[in-house]
Amino acid sequence: EPEVTQTPSHQVTQMGQEVILRCVPISNHLYFYWYRQILGQKVEFLVSFYNNEISEKSEIFDDQFSVERPDGSNFTLKIRSTKLEDSAMYFCASVGGATDTQYFGPGTRLTVL
Amino acid sequence: AQSVTQLGSHVSVSEGALVLLRCNYSSSVPPYLFWYVQYPNQGLQLLLKYTSAATLVKGINGFEAEFKKSETSFHLTKPSAHMSDAAEYFCAVSLIQGAQKLVFGQGTRLTINP
Repeated sequence: EPEVTQTPSHQVTQMGQEVILRCVPISNHLYFYWYRQILGQKVEFLVSFYNNEISEKSEIFDDQFSVERPDGSNFTLKIRSTKLEDSAMYFCASVGGATDTQYFGPGTRLTVL
Repeated sequence: AQSVTQLGSHVSVSEGALVLLRCNYSSSVPPYLFWYVQYPNQGLQLLLKYTSAATLVKGINGFEAEFKKSETSFHLTKPSAHMSDAAEYFCAVSLIQGAQKLVFGQGTRLTINP
């Protein structure tokens, strides 16, 4: 069964460093999302991406964040200068069509020291 | 704006007992509703979804949920709990199935006692 994959599973970085979280959505899916879950809190929407552009973003998704679909298969989330409060589990999700279900990847745990 | 409230951050039941996880939503238009499960150190897996068809929705692993518009609720139930049901459960709402962001509740951690 097709699945969303994410790498790495765990990333440790120093405050102020740039990180790139990678996702491979399900092939032929059209809509892509990033969510995050701070430890012990609910899953929060960050950004949605469709037709090679951001379709919606939350207040969390400030100028430090960016997304890209560089090669038609990967979907990346970049944090330019990480802060301690960026420590969280980051989930990627993809959807095939407007009436389909969001499928989530296993997540990348980001730890900022 | 949509929102989801899950009553009870922790629920503990005995193996074989009824599982009831509560979810209430707020939405200005008819919503699409979802329950996701998160096992330890894993991602989110869809349990079931309501998309304006039947109000009683059956999902995987013996779970079901009933959409009650008058109560703005979408509670998740399972007649008989199994040890493997121990996990975190999230209720979520969206205005458009699939294409729009999901708004999640706080989550309910389900513990199963032997």
